[in-house]
Amino acid sequence: GAGVSQTPSNKVTEKGKYVELRCDPISGHTALYWYRQSLGQGPEFLIYFQGTGAADDSGLPNDRFFAVRPEGSVSTLKIQRTERGDSAVYLCASSPGTPRGNEQFFGPGTRLTVL
Amino acid sequence: DAKTTQPTSMDCAEGRAANLPCNHSTISGNEYVYWYRQIHSQGPQYIIHGLKNNETNEMASLIITEDRKSSTLILPHATLRDTAVYYCIVRGRGGANNLFFGTGTRLTVIP
Repeated sequence: GAGVSQTPSNKVTEKGKYVELRCDPISGHTALYWYRQSLGQGPEFLIYFQGTGAADDSGLPNDRFFAVRPEGSVSTLKIQRTERGDSAVYLCASSPGTPRGNEQFFGPGTRLTVL
Repeated sequence: DAKTTQPTSMDCAEGRAANLPCNHSTISGNEYVYWYRQIHSQGPQYIIHGLKNNETNEMASLIITEDRKSSTLILPHATLRDTAVYYCIVRGRGGANNLFFGTGTRLTVIP
């Protein structure tokens, strides 16, 4: 079946601009996660959704970052007033139920470059 | 969730077994050991997980020491496609929702 998909695969923007990154999880997966990966580092957690609600947003670095999942399926990560330090690969993952004990299925990521 | 320690990098000859160690000396009784890998330019991929018994699946085997303070991921016949960064993660059922990846072990399979 189809895996997690993310669009766009690459996004180049200018400092100060607004960007939206989209994640389509595996159909039926209720849990959805966003991670950010900088060059040479492992992925770092940003936010976790269970259904439509953000159950844990403790990883969001500041209030420029926001994510939604209005219908409990597709999610959008929104970044306002982008900064060069936001450049990274943004990864989305989903899992079938409650996260504890369930493997997470990752998408290929969106590479964001802020000039 | 407990922290893990892994070597930064390892090499393995193609066709040989790759043994990737992980130290998790502060692991608690209800925490699982997970392994993920990340091939260049792809998202992480789940490999295997276990609590205290050794586990095997079609990708790998996981050997956990009796005291559970360390574990080894074994790829029985490494291929060039196994070249990747391998992450050992400890996570409890009552722990954080997210996975803490660390920096992992970069495994290079050599022809």
